[in-house]
Amino acid sequence: AQTVTQSQPEMSVQEAETVTLSCTYDTSENNYYLFWYKQPPSRQMILVIRQEAYKQQNATENRFSVNFQKAAKSFSLKISDSQLGDTAMYFCAFMKHAYGGSQGNLIFGKGTKLSVKP
Amino acid sequence: NAGVTQTPKFRVLKTGQSMTLLCAQDMNHEYMYWYRQDPGMGLRLIHYSVGEGTTAKGEVPDGYNVSRLKKQNFLLGLESAAPSQTSVYFCASSPGGTGPWNGYTFGSGTRLTVV
Repeated sequence: AQTVTQSQPEMSVQEAETVTLSCTYDTSENNYYLFWYKQPPSRQMILVIRQEAYKQQNATENRFSVNFQKAAKSFSLKISDSQLGDTAMYFCAFMKHAYGGSQGNLIFGKGTKLSVKP
Repeated sequence: NAGVTQTPKFRVLKTGQSMTLLCAQDMNHEYMYWYRQDPGMGLRLIHYSVGEGTTAKGEVPDGYNVSRLKKQNFLLGLESAAPSQTSVYFCASSPGGTGPWNGYTFGSGTRLTVV
């Protein structure tokens, strides 16, 4: 079974600084997707960024980028120029290819609570 | 542009009462999911459906039942609520199939308290 581990329950960063959230996962699969979701106090789950395992290039979305290390099974999220609106819970998630190429289920880590301080 | 809609948004139940949470999506997605979120536990999958008329158990299915009679709706039922079922419940949907996979579209959650 796949597992996702986020080892930092809470983190804080000063506004405009850079912060990195860690995520490791355990799987025997070769083809899968990895995601970072943001959950602000509104409770809404918002997709931040995704990475396809067969792509070596790290995904980037504006101020958000990942460091995907497939051999190490590591998928960290870097937030540059942190803003007050980045304050939220961040969840790392894993999705495998099921048999026949169909979609697997999302498996979540326990989350990291990020606070951006003015 | 509703996406995924969950009703109700809040509910308080007494132990032993029953209730049904409704999830509706207007994106013609094949797959639908119910998760529960508890402090320090992340989101855990309760049940899911890969198409109309089909359901399957997830990681924490005990005490819950589901039905997918219509493609756009996925119902989560609690037959006899227990305090351990106090949680925030999220419904989600996705296109399914062979990709590309952009994760799920989530509803805004239902906060359920069982007293």
